[in-house]
Amino acid sequence: NAGVMQNPRHLVRRRGQEARLRCSPMKGHSHVYWYRQLPEEGLKFMVYLQKENIIDESGMPKERFSAEFPKEGPSILRIQQVVRGDSAAYFCASSPDSLYSGNTIYFGEGSWLTVV
Amino acid sequence: KNQVEQSPQSLIILEGKNCTLQCNYTVSPFSNLRWYKQDTGRGPVSLTIMTFSENTKSNGRYTATLDADTKQSSLHITASQLSDSASYICVVSVLSNDYKLSFGAGTTVTVRA
Repeated sequence: NAGVMQNPRHLVRRRGQEARLRCSPMKGHSHVYWYRQLPEEGLKFMVYLQKENIIDESGMPKERFSAEFPKEGPSILRIQQVVRGDSAAYFCASSPDSLYSGNTIYFGEGSWLTVV
Repeated sequence: KNQVEQSPQSLIILEGKNCTLQCNYTVSPFSNLRWYKQDTGRGPVSLTIMTFSENTKSNGRYTATLDADTKQSSLHITASQLSDSASYICVVSVLSNDYKLSFGAGTTVTVRA
């Protein structure tokens, strides 16, 4: 019963380095979402992808952040030149179809990024 | 601005007791409301999903209610267990942009023996 798989679970980066977070959706799911949870705050939408397409990236900072969901392989959230403010938990979620009408969305266990 | 406010911020209850968590939202146009349970260091796990026409939904010892007119929801935990200790998050989505979930900050529940 493989759920949404994220790795690494914990990542430490020095300021200026790059962070790559990977997400493998549940089997049969073609819709992937990334959310960020800052300390003591609720999750915030970042980006919504389908295979090879970015559907909505309005929640993602325009600089240093990028996301992809290639035809083969996991979805990648990439943060270049990390700063301390990027320290957060990054959650990936997936669904088999769009979320219209309340379809269930399944979350991964998260990737905790610490920038030192 | 779409907002989801939860109360209380945290609460402590004794094992076996009941508790009720509140969620008020200003999200519009409303699509659906979800309650999630998030254990420390883990991802959120879905408890209930309710659309506009649903007033109540249960999942075991968890019962959620929704009043779409007043834009309020509650999550009732019956006969709490130690494993219920977690953060409970209210999540509301906007019609036609359901993936842009609006998350509350959560209520941290601690169940003590």
